[in-house]
Amino acid sequence: NAGVTQTPKFRILKIGQSMTLQCTQDMNHNYMYWYRQDPGMGLKLIYYSVGAGITDKGEVPNGYNVSRSTTEDFPLRLELAAPSQTSVYFCASSYSIDLLSTDTQYFGPGTRLTVL
Amino acid sequence: KQEVTQIPAALSVPEGENLVLNCSFTDSAIYNLQWFRQDPGKGLTSLLLIQSSQREQTSGRLNASLDKSSGRSTLYIAASQPGDSATYLCAVKKNSNYQLIWGAGTKLIIKP
Repeated sequence: NAGVTQTPKFRILKIGQSMTLQCTQDMNHNYMYWYRQDPGMGLKLIYYSVGAGITDKGEVPNGYNVSRSTTEDFPLRLELAAPSQTSVYFCASSYSIDLLSTDTQYFGPGTRLTVL
Repeated sequence: KQEVTQIPAALSVPEGENLVLNCSFTDSAIYNLQWFRQDPGKGLTSLLLIQSSQREQTSGRLNASLDKSSGRSTLYIAASQPGDSATYLCAVKKNSNYQLIWGAGTKLIIKP
């Protein structure tokens, strides 16, 4: 299994440009997440999904959109890039977020995005 | 509001030493706490997960403890090796929902 894969690894955008960060998992996990990590800070949840067709906002959703048409894919869309969106973006997946579950999240390698 | 703090932000020790990384949280109403390892250019890897009803978990040279009443967790690494060099993050899971609340991490360097 490849686990969680993300593309691209690096990207430089100009202010106002748009792009989609791709995320795919091959573990048949129902739950998927997008985080951003700013230098010296903890991860912040942007959006999450509990299954195909179902998404919800996390802690910092402004400026982003997501869709989940299949179990495997969970792309993150930036419509009008701003310098404040310069960050490292991580996609993760898990089998369950049930409070009784001990299942953890599996992370992709990240996408480093710079907006100039 | 739950806040998670990790001190120190960076730590450098000689190979072979035993060391302790600290994680503190402001709200004791957590469901579990996890320790992750982050290597440069790679994603995060879960190391240990402690349920709120547990006091510690062990995996190889790693031991994580949890004291909910004082809002603290420690990650103990025995006989450190250069391969242990990485950033270690802790995250707590709230009782009420799915969210993990993350600390900023401790960057650990083990000198050969």
